[in-house]
Amino acid sequence: GAVVSQHPSRVICKSGTSVKIECRSLDFQATTMFWYRQFPKQSLMLMATSNEGSKATYEQGVEKDKFLINHASLTLSTLTVTSAHPEDSSFYICSASSGTKNEQFFGPGTRLTVL
Amino acid sequence: DAKTTQPPSMDCAEGRAANLPCNHSTISGNEYVYWYRQIHSQGPQYIIHGLKNNETNEMASLIITEDRKSSTLILPHATLRDTAVYYCIVAPTGNQFYFGTGTSLTVIP
Repeated sequence: GAVVSQHPSRVICKSGTSVKIECRSLDFQATTMFWYRQFPKQSLMLMATSNEGSKATYEQGVEKDKFLINHASLTLSTLTVTSAHPEDSSFYICSASSGTKNEQFFGPGTRLTVL
Repeated sequence: DAKTTQPPSMDCAEGRAANLPCNHSTISGNEYVYWYRQIHSQGPQYIIHGLKNNETNEMASLIITEDRKSSTLILPHATLRDTAVYYCIVAPTGNQFYFGTGTSLTVIP
C-alpha cells in the first residue's frame, strides 16, 4: 500500500509555544489529507479535512485559529498547534487519499506532550 | 458521527479464525465499508474495503450482508500479531472517516 510519513514522531514543548507537524505522502499524490486526534484509550477524532491549494474544513468544535492547517502541495500537509497548552497533549495522526484510490492511508502518528 | 456499532472486545485462539462483526444499519448507497486496525501507539493500518460484494485479500475477507446493514471481517488464521483494535467505518470514497469505538481483539496463545 501507499506510504504516509509524519514528522516529528514525538515532540515535547512548553506551554504557550507553537508546534508544527508535517504529513507527507511518499509515493502518491494526495488530493485530500485528513487530520485526526486521539486521546488515551479513545478512538480517533477527525479534526479537519484539507484539499491541496484550498482552505481546510474543520469539524465542529475544532478551533481553526488554534490548529492551522496548510496543504501547499500534493504531497505535504502541515498542522500547527498554536499556543499549545497541556490539554492539547495528544496523539495526532494524518491520513491521505488520492483521486484514484478508494482507501485512506494513515501516517504513524505524532505524540505531542505539552508541559 | 460514527455510523457503525461493534462489540467492544473479543478474544480469539491463535490459529483459529477471528470473526469481527459490524452493524451499519443506516449505510447509504454510495458508502463503502472499510476496515482498519490500530496496534498500540501506531497509525491505523488498512485491511480491506467493499461496497456490496464480498472481498478477499492477503490479510482478510470481508462479508457484507445482502441488505448491506452489517458486515463481518474474517481473519482466517489469527496470530498474536493480529492483536489490535479493529475499526469498521462506512464512508463514501474519498470522504471523511468518522471512527467508532472499534473492537479490541486479543489473540490468545
